Amino acid sequence: QVQLQESGPGLVKPSQTLSLTCTVSGGSISSDDYYWSWIRQHPGKGLQWIGYIFNSGSTYYNPSLKSRITISVDTSKNQFSLKLRSVTAADTAVYYCAEVRGENGMDVWGQGTTVTVSS
Amino acid sequence: SYELTQPPSVSVSPGQTARITCSGDSLSKQYTYWYQQKSGQAPVLVIYKDTERPSGIPERFSGSSSGTLVTLTISGVQAEDEAHYYCQSADSSGTYEVVFGGGTKLTVL
Repeated sequence: QVQLQESGPGLVKPSQTLSLTCTVSGGSISSDDYYWSWIRQHPGKGLQWIGYIFNSGSTYYNPSLKSRITISVDTSKNQFSLKLRSVTAADTAVYYCAEVRGENGMDVWGQGTTVTVSS
Repeated sequence: SYELTQPPSVSVSPGQTARITCSGDSLSKQYTYWYQQKSGQAPVLVIYKDTERPSGIPERFSGSSSGTLVTLTISGVQAEDEAHYYCQSADSSGTYEVVFGGGTKLTVL
């Protein structure tokens, strides 16, 4: 069973870049059966899709965040990453990574990591 | 941008049936997924491709679809089912944009 674990700083200063990594265990990130997604949840709010990446390297991003985000894959480390530039307090959220099993949905999620943007 | 609409809250007594709806223009063309999120936990997939149930999800969870309206039904609700439920689908215009509904809080009275 695949497991996902997010990691990264819990506190980021305004205008800086938020960098998070999701480590995949129990499976290969290079598998053609899956692709990989980031989702966030603002405090007390619903889920917001950030974007996803295919094994080919193709990415699809939320239009509202597209100008500030980059999602990448490091197959040698079995990890994928999120970079969100020029953060503000509005980027304070719990960030989740998830495995997407094609049309079978986001079937495995990480536990989430809380990121606070504050000086 | 594309939106999915859910009722903010649904309340039922234990043993009753809870129905949570999700509406959106593209739902007749794209699959819908349902996620359960209990307080302080990560979401869990409970229904995929409108009506399919992942292994390990109790049979009391079911999904249905009719045009631009999809429904998550929980039969014989138990106290442990109290959670937020989110529908999720994708824009059908070719942008691949994934969208979540605003979420429904299910309260078991």
